[in-house]
Amino acid sequence: RKEVEQDPGPFNVPEGATVAFNCTYSNSASQSFFWYRQDCRKEPKLLMSVYSSGNEDGRFTAQLNRASQYISLLIRDSKLSDSATYLCVVNNGDYKLSFGAGTTVTVRA
Amino acid sequence: ETGVTQSPTHLIKTRGQQVTLRCSSQSGHNTVSWYQQALGQGPQFIFQYYREEENGRGNFPPRFSGLQFPNYSSELNVNALELDDSALYLCASSFLDSYNSPLHFGNGTRLTVT
Repeated sequence: RKEVEQDPGPFNVPEGATVAFNCTYSNSASQSFFWYRQDCRKEPKLLMSVYSSGNEDGRFTAQLNRASQYISLLIRDSKLSDSATYLCVVNNGDYKLSFGAGTTVTVRA
Repeated sequence: ETGVTQSPTHLIKTRGQQVTLRCSSQSGHNTVSWYQQALGQGPQFIFQYYREEENGRGNFPPRFSGLQFPNYSSELNVNALELDDSALYLCASSFLDSYNSPLHFGNGTRLTVT
């Protein structure tokens, strides 16, 4: 079983729509969680950290469910510029990050 | 800007050759981590260097090796290149005690092996 699994999508949504997707992780001892955004042929960039109580950053909301071992990302009022691959990332308290393969989101005009 | 710079940006090599990729750390950071991202996959951890020594390693063969220099910059060396080594190679610098902090990557080196 992979450490981090994501629905690859793609999620095709119109501008202004809400889109949400999850990722699951296998290690119940995982300590920190992040969402990264990656544009085509570019490096991944941190979108937001995910906190136990859930957190928002503008139109983006992240949730953590430790009992079910999943993390979610919700994007409200989608913009064309939100089109990207979103990587779910988990740290187990050691020296490496474990990445999912990414969920592709395409926002159309 | 992350402050982490990588060179070269793109590279084309032939199977069996050797390659060296370079990474300059963000000022003040003492640890460098390298990741490999194949097409359609998430980045995979290769290894981490701290104080010029390997501090952790992922599931990569010994032909993947690295160096960290006193100024905390780093090299990734790959010997006997294989077609499957074609990928985006990412470098990130950090503080050793920041395991629970996110990483900020350089812009990567895209390696193509033919």
